[in-house]
Amino acid sequence: EIVLTQSPGTLSLSPGERATLSCRASQSVIRSYLAWYQQKPGQAPRLLIYGASSRATGIPDRFSGSGSGTDFTLTISRLEPEDFAVYYCQQYGGSSYTFGQGTKLEI
Amino acid sequence: QVQLVESGGGLVKPGGSLRLSCAASGLTVSDYYMNWIRQAPGKGLEWVSHISSSSSDTKYADSVKGRFTISRDNAKNSLYLQMNSLRAEDTAVYFCARDGGSGWSLDYWGQGTLVTVSS
Repeated sequence: EIVLTQSPGTLSLSPGERATLSCRASQSVIRSYLAWYQQKPGQAPRLLIYGASSRATGIPDRFSGSGSGTDFTLTISRLEPEDFAVYYCQQYGGSSYTFGQGTKLEI
Repeated sequence: QVQLVESGGGLVKPGGSLRLSCAASGLTVSDYYMNWIRQAPGKGLEWVSHISSSSSDTKYADSVKGRFTISRDNAKNSLYLQMNSLRAEDTAVYFCARDGGSGWSLDYWGQGTLVTVSS
């Protein structure tokens, strides 16, 4: 099973700043099978990025994804107040989905 | 408008059973891979199970294999999770989610139903 490790665990930034979140896999991930989600307290996760770099429907262009192999990155170019949340990466392989442990983005 | 609504959660004793339901509207569950994902209190996301569009393929996380069964009722446009031999570590919010076919990502989620396993 592929293990996804996200870093940092917590990221403290201010509105207007740039956020860079990392997701590292224990073995190579098929690039098209890497996704990112945002989750706010008491809510279900929301799909942000699929295929490592494609934005899901309705996602603002300040969100971008990149990477390949074992290293993937979610970048939020200019933080808005509503972006402070927990972010998860997810991959599919071996007939199962695995999630990273999450990065909490806080003000 | 796509909507997934889970129900059936509650308090159950260790060793007990529970059946979760996920009613879909705005999408046809038989057209997609459908999933159950859970989140223990204060913890991250854990994939539990999925069922293929044809129902011929079902997969489970090792943590629930042999105890949980995923199924679907096309006539009711609903997804189910039968949970047997429940343990304290199964305590979580259970979400149903659609795999929309874009790189095995989960594009629609329900709001979740809480399952608490405790004596």
